[in-house]
Amino acid sequence: AQKVTQAQTEISVVEKEDVTLDCVYETRDTTYYLFWYKQPPSGELVFLIRRNSFDEQNEISGRYSWNFQKSTSSFNFTITASQVVDSAVYFCALSSQETSGSRLTFGEGTQLTVNP
Amino acid sequence: DGGITQSPKYLFRKEGQNVTLSCEQNLNHDAMYWYRQDPGQGLRLIYYSQIVNDFQKGDIAEGYSVSREKKESFPLTVTSAQKNPTAFYLCASSILGIINYGYTFGSGTRLTVV
Repeated sequence: AQKVTQAQTEISVVEKEDVTLDCVYETRDTTYYLFWYKQPPSGELVFLIRRNSFDEQNEISGRYSWNFQKSTSSFNFTITASQVVDSAVYFCALSSQETSGSRLTFGEGTQLTVNP
Repeated sequence: DGGITQSPKYLFRKEGQNVTLSCEQNLNHDAMYWYRQDPGQGLRLIYYSQIVNDFQKGDIAEGYSVSREKKESFPLTVTSAQKNPTAFYLCASSILGIINYGYTFGSGTRLTVV
């Protein structure tokens, strides 16, 4: 069965610090996709990134970067020089043919608080 | 612009009442989902539907009911049998069978029992 684990329930940092959110996944499929979503205080989940299982190249988008390592089944998310606006709950998710249709398996989420 | 609309944004329910949360999408997505989120908690799947007139229970379906009479609409009814309905409810949709698509989410409905 599929599983996504976000071991960090809450993280608190001071503005301008770098912070890494961990995500570890389990799946029997060889073809799968990993996602990160951001949930700001308003509540709506916002898509950040998707990564397929065949592409282990790291991705950078501004202050955000993602490190995908199949050897450790991890897809970690780093925010460089964090800002107060980064305060949100972040969810990691997994999709593969193992699940019915296109259902996502979500981790429990990590609450990030960036203090001024 | 295409998207998912959830209404109302805030909803108050008296004990013993049924209430219905609306979810409408104009993305032509086949699959739709309802999630419940309690404060400080993750997302728990209530029901999902992959095709009109068909739906499946998720992990916490007790006390809830759904219908899927139209592709665009997937309303959720919180019945009086749901003992602790106060929570944040999120609706999502996706393209069936396309595993790289992910979900599009609505903005949520915050339900409070008074």
